Amino acid sequence: SQTIHQWPATLVQPVGSPLSLECTVEGTSNPNLYWYRQAAGRGLQLLFYSVGIGQISSEVPQNLSASRPQDRQFILSSKKLLLSDSGFYLCAWKWAGDTQYFGPGTRLTVL
Amino acid sequence: GQQLNQSPQSMFIQEGEDVSMNCTSSSIFNTWLWYKQDPGEGPVLLIALYKAGELTSNGRLTAQFGITRKDSFLNISASIPSDVGIYFCAGRSNFGNEKLTFGTGTRLTIIP
Repeated sequence: SQTIHQWPATLVQPVGSPLSLECTVEGTSNPNLYWYRQAAGRGLQLLFYSVGIGQISSEVPQNLSASRPQDRQFILSSKKLLLSDSGFYLCAWKWAGDTQYFGPGTRLTVL
Repeated sequence: GQQLNQSPQSMFIQEGEDVSMNCTSSSIFNTWLWYKQDPGEGPVLLIALYKAGELTSNGRLTAQFGITRKDSFLNISASIPSDVGIYFCAGRSNFGNEKLTFGTGTRLTIIP
């Protein structure tokens, strides 16, 4: 069966510091991968998605970037965090069909 | 861009009551999905709908794909405490083959 992992689970970072969040999927090959951000009490905002290694589509211009160095690894990065980057970051995958399956999320607090 | 209007935004009900929520779109969707999110966790898929008019159940949950393909609803019968959470609809239109559009969520609270 397929499993999706995200780490870290929680992160507190100062403004201006770099960021690296990692997402990995097990049990499937060549999945689509997605990064979402969820502000407190709000809906899901799609940030990036990838249909293959090295292929990244950006949905919202911002302070973040994404990379897919391996088939089942998706990384969300920032060179300098802003206060507005705080939120709950969710990674998701899909293979066939439309259903996306979400990871457990990373809670990021920027102080 | 695509938008999904989800209502109600929040619901306060007593245990045992039935719940109904819906999503409407300004454009046609080919797939409707319903997710539930518990606090501090990722959303979990409840029901997936693929055909207009389709009515699908998952235990006490029932969801329907609207005939116009621009709406969907989710019903929960005889609510229990573990139903508390945020429910999201999501859909895929003709214009976003690799992406889903998510509703803004319905927060369900059960009053003791």
